[in-house]
Amino acid sequence: QKEVEQNSGPLSVPEGAIASLNCTYSDRGSQSFFWYRQYSGKSPELIMFIYSNGDKEDGRFTAQLNKASQYVSLLIRDSQPSDSATYLCAVRGKGAQKLVFGQGTRLTINP
Amino acid sequence: ETGVTQSPTHLIKTRGQQVTLRCSSQSGHNTVSWYQQALGQGPQFIFQYYREEENGRGNFPPRFSGLQFPNYSSELNVNALELDDSALYLCASSLGGDTQYFGPGTRLTVL
Repeated sequence: QKEVEQNSGPLSVPEGAIASLNCTYSDRGSQSFFWYRQYSGKSPELIMFIYSNGDKEDGRFTAQLNKASQYVSLLIRDSQPSDSATYLCAVRGKGAQKLVFGQGTRLTINP
Repeated sequence: ETGVTQSPTHLIKTRGQQVTLRCSSQSGHNTVSWYQQALGQGPQFIFQYYREEENGRGNFPPRFSGLQFPNYSSELNVNALELDDSALYLCASSLGGDTQYFGPGTRLTVL
């Protein structure tokens, strides 16, 4: 079992709709959870982080964390073509130095 | 812009050669982490440096080594290059290792 799993996609969503990206992780002791956006040929860009169970909203983005289910998700409201990218889920364990990444979900927003 | 810089942007080497990649951390950050990202995969943790000391290492052989300088900039050295070392090398800057901000990366091609 991979430490962090994401559906690789591609996930295709019409412009203006809600895009939902999901991630599961295996380490129950994980404490910090991150979503990065990566455009083709570029480096990952941090868009959200969440530490506590529940929802965290930032503009059009909402991160959701459920530690009991070992599940973290990212919702993108009013999706725009500029949101088309690969979204990487990353998890940091308690006291760990490293981020463990999923393989990423490729999202395409169709005009 | 994260304030994290990396050099060079691109590099082409042949098998068996050695390479040094450089990273300048964001102002105020004391921790640098290095990741390797193969095409179509999430970044893989190589190692982390905190206040000039190695502070954690991933599953990479000893021919991957690093340094951190008093100004918190860092180098990644790879000896005896192999074809599989071809990847995007990412440096991430943080304060104490939690929320990590990536530089633009160095694309290494080994022929």
